[in-house]
Amino acid sequence: DGGITQSPKYLFRKEGQNVTLSCEQNLNHDAMYWYRQDPGQGLRLIYYSQIVNDFQKGDIAEGYSVSREKKESFPLTVTSAQKNPTAFYLCASSHLNRGYTDTQYFGPGTRLTVL
Amino acid sequence: GQQLNQSPQSMFIQEGEDVSMNCTSSSIFNTWLWYKQDPGEGPVLLIALYKAGELTSNGRLTAQFGITRKDSFLNISASIPSDVGIYFCAGQHQETSGSRLTFGEGTQLTVNP
Repeated sequence: DGGITQSPKYLFRKEGQNVTLSCEQNLNHDAMYWYRQDPGQGLRLIYYSQIVNDFQKGDIAEGYSVSREKKESFPLTVTSAQKNPTAFYLCASSHLNRGYTDTQYFGPGTRLTVL
Repeated sequence: GQQLNQSPQSMFIQEGEDVSMNCTSSSIFNTWLWYKQDPGEGPVLLIALYKAGELTSNGRLTAQFGITRKDSFLNISASIPSDVGIYFCAGQHQETSGSRLTFGEGTQLTVNP
């Protein structure tokens, strides 16, 4: 099946620990994105990548890091510097510069709880 | 960054009623998207709009791209219990923001059977 997978679905960590969230896509999409969603709120962009080995900060990048070593994979690390890391994290991907097909499609999300 | 105002924030309706929600922006977009998110899941694309004035339907859903390119609305006709969820609008302007989307804060829809 083609799609975007995120793992794990639920993640618990102790305060002060770094944690890495996985995102994989087999849609041959060029661009990948990470969003954060807090209860009752919209989606805020953390980082995005339009090409392998390159990525840009979104609106709330502080306390997060990413890598894009492969086209299919865009892992997000929530570092201990992130002051309020408990949230629902969503990964998305899209084609790039193809006009009508640049639409972003989302994975199922990872709920991170920091204790 | 750009802001999208989505309203209403929440709606409580009876099964069978029609629903309308909208988004407005202070700046123009050249793509409007509508997503639905079920609890604990990722948003799913419902309708994509690419041209000012465009009116597009997907089953009981109808969405329009405002002629000014600064607004869009989504209508749901004859609501059913499975319509429950959060509906998000998103705008895109490729020339200024590339593939980045700007999201509204969502409309929480509750349908009473």
